[in-house]
Amino acid sequence: AQSVSQHNHHVILSEAASLELGCNYSYGGTVNLFWYVQYPGQHLQLLLKYFSGDPLVKGIKGFEAEFIKSKFSFNLRKPSVQWSDTAEYFCAVFGYQKVTFGTGTKLQVIP
Amino acid sequence: DAGVTQSPTHLIKTRGQQVTLRCSPISGHKSVSWYQQVLGQGPQFIFQYYEKEERGRGNFPDRFSARQFPNYSSELNVNALLLGDSALYLCASSPRSGTGELFFGEGSRLTVL
Repeated sequence: AQSVSQHNHHVILSEAASLELGCNYSYGGTVNLFWYVQYPGQHLQLLLKYFSGDPLVKGIKGFEAEFIKSKFSFNLRKPSVQWSDTAEYFCAVFGYQKVTFGTGTKLQVIP
Repeated sequence: DAGVTQSPTHLIKTRGQQVTLRCSPISGHKSVSWYQQVLGQGPQFIFQYYEKEERGRGNFPDRFSARQFPNYSSELNVNALLLGDSALYLCASSPRSGTGELFFGEGSRLTVL
């Protein structure tokens, strides 16, 4: 069975700080990888996705993630966070016909 | 364009009762999935339907069932409710099966007393 591990449950950053959220997964085959985000009061939405090709993928709002196959990792990064990035971030993997989510990381950005 | 719509948004039931949750996918999306999210956890996969056929089932008891209709809308049924069924139930649609790209609704918040 596949699983997803997110290393940080709660991250607090000041505006303009750099962000990196860790995500590791376990799955025996080819995977599709995702980061989803839930802003306060809103529904879950797709931030970025990796299916194949360039392991560095770019998403909305300046976010990017790097797929490192040898490390089974798909870390999310942003060079300079804004207060509006305050949200909960979920890493997810698609395999065996289902999407498995991590437990989420709550990001709080302080103005 | 309308997103994924779910109803009801909130409901309260007592133990032993049954509940039906409804979901309308984005127009043109033929795949619908259901997830359960409890506080402090990520969404847990319950079912996936594509073209009215069940394509996947998560590790949930048989009290949980679902179906997809010819218009691609879907219902999730939970029988003999337990306190532990209290959660946010999320519906997500996808334009096709087999990618994992999900478009979520706002969810139905179920409280079991």
